[in-house]
Amino acid sequence: NAGVTQTPKFQVLKTGQSMTLQCAQDMNHEYMSWYRQDPGMGLRLIHYSVGAGITDQGEVPNGYNVSRSTTEDFPLRLLSAAPSQTSVYFCASGGSGRETETQYFGPGTRLLVL
Amino acid sequence: KNQVEQSPQSLIILEGKNCTLQCNYTVSPFSNLRWYKQDTGRGPVSLTIMTFSENTKSNGRYTATLDADTKQSSLHITASQLSDSASYICVVRTGGGNKLTFGTGTQLKVEL
Repeated sequence: NAGVTQTPKFQVLKTGQSMTLQCAQDMNHEYMSWYRQDPGMGLRLIHYSVGAGITDQGEVPNGYNVSRSTTEDFPLRLLSAAPSQTSVYFCASGGSGRETETQYFGPGTRLLVL
Repeated sequence: KNQVEQSPQSLIILEGKNCTLQCNYTVSPFSNLRWYKQDTGRGPVSLTIMTFSENTKSNGRYTATLDADTKQSSLHITASQLSDSASYICVVRTGGGNKLTFGTGTQLKVEL
């Protein structure tokens, strides 16, 4: 049981490049989400999904796309990277349904946009 | 606006000492409050969750308290260890929905 896995761990992009951050979970959770974590700020929700084929925007969705073709996978796409997207990105699984349900976070992807 | 404020921002203590971290929130309606531990370079891991009716909950050397009237929570760490060095994040969930508001965390360093 690997929990939540994310790849890559580190990535350097040039402004304007695109890339996909991968996230997978093996806990059969319907709810998955993406956050970014910046210095001096709390985690902010980018996009979330309540099940395969269903996605919705969070607090800071601009510049990011998501899709959910399977329960297990929830990739995050940066369409045209900007320096403002330099951050640490966390994928999370669980945390919906029962309000006390635990949310499990992946190890994070550190992204630097030059 | 829903907010979660944590104090202190950072803290250094000696191994074996106790410490208390604070979390004040203005989230309404309130559903629950969770404390996470985030080790450097890792994702947050849940330590404990407090619902409206709970005042105190322990998880080993970690004890969380909640005062729903004053909208304050604390996380007390007893007999600190080097492995307690981490960021501790307070997260409040809005009642009736799935909205989470994250604090900015308290960075704790435990030294010899």
